[in-house]
Amino acid sequence: GQQLNQSPQSMFIQEGEDVSMNCTSSSIFNTWLWYKQDPGEGPVLLIALYKAGELTSNGRLTAQFGITRKDSFLNISASIPSDVGIYFCAGHRGSNYKLTFGKGTLLTVNP
Amino acid sequence: DVKVTQSSRYLVKRTGEKVFLECVQDMDHENMFWYRQDPGLGLRLIYFSYDVKMKEKGDIPEGYSVSREKKERFSLILESASTNQTSMYLCASSLVQEETQYFGPGTRLLVL
Repeated sequence: GQQLNQSPQSMFIQEGEDVSMNCTSSSIFNTWLWYKQDPGEGPVLLIALYKAGELTSNGRLTAQFGITRKDSFLNISASIPSDVGIYFCAGHRGSNYKLTFGKGTLLTVNP
Repeated sequence: DVKVTQSSRYLVKRTGEKVFLECVQDMDHENMFWYRQDPGLGLRLIYFSYDVKMKEKGDIPEGYSVSREKKERFSLILESASTNQTSMYLCASSLVQEETQYFGPGTRLLVL
């Protein structure tokens, strides 16, 4: 199955820094989702985006649904150690129940 | 809060054994999914179910089967476990026609 192109694959940052990651696709999606997975746990939904151009925040997290509907961005401001984990993007086309996932961005935050 | 639970967090089995992984959700969701997660490969869909006794193959169904006898429960079955099925298995559920999937904590399976 198709997967989204998620970058970067990994990031090593200092506590307090801002973080940006993105997902791109050659196909249009109707919904973009961002999940975080803590080590040894299942993914947890962070933000859901339903409209092209939409910008949504959840605390220090901000995500955007690209205007072309082929990409999405996630920003984390003022990172803290508990931000460590794998961040996944997922897209939904609306034609069936399936999500298409990116391969994830592994974030490490040095205190 | 949506709660998806998986029967085991860690499981060790031998090659050739029949393995059952169970998933239960408490939010009356119609859709349930089984994924496996491997380093560098991300999440790959094995099977999903959109109603009791209904199932559809995902991207990698070979070597797996599923059972959904009740709405809240979705089981993944490895008929004859092999070492290449060592992986993290994640269950998820969602409402019909809703995009957001809610995941369980995962089962880390080791096949020796």
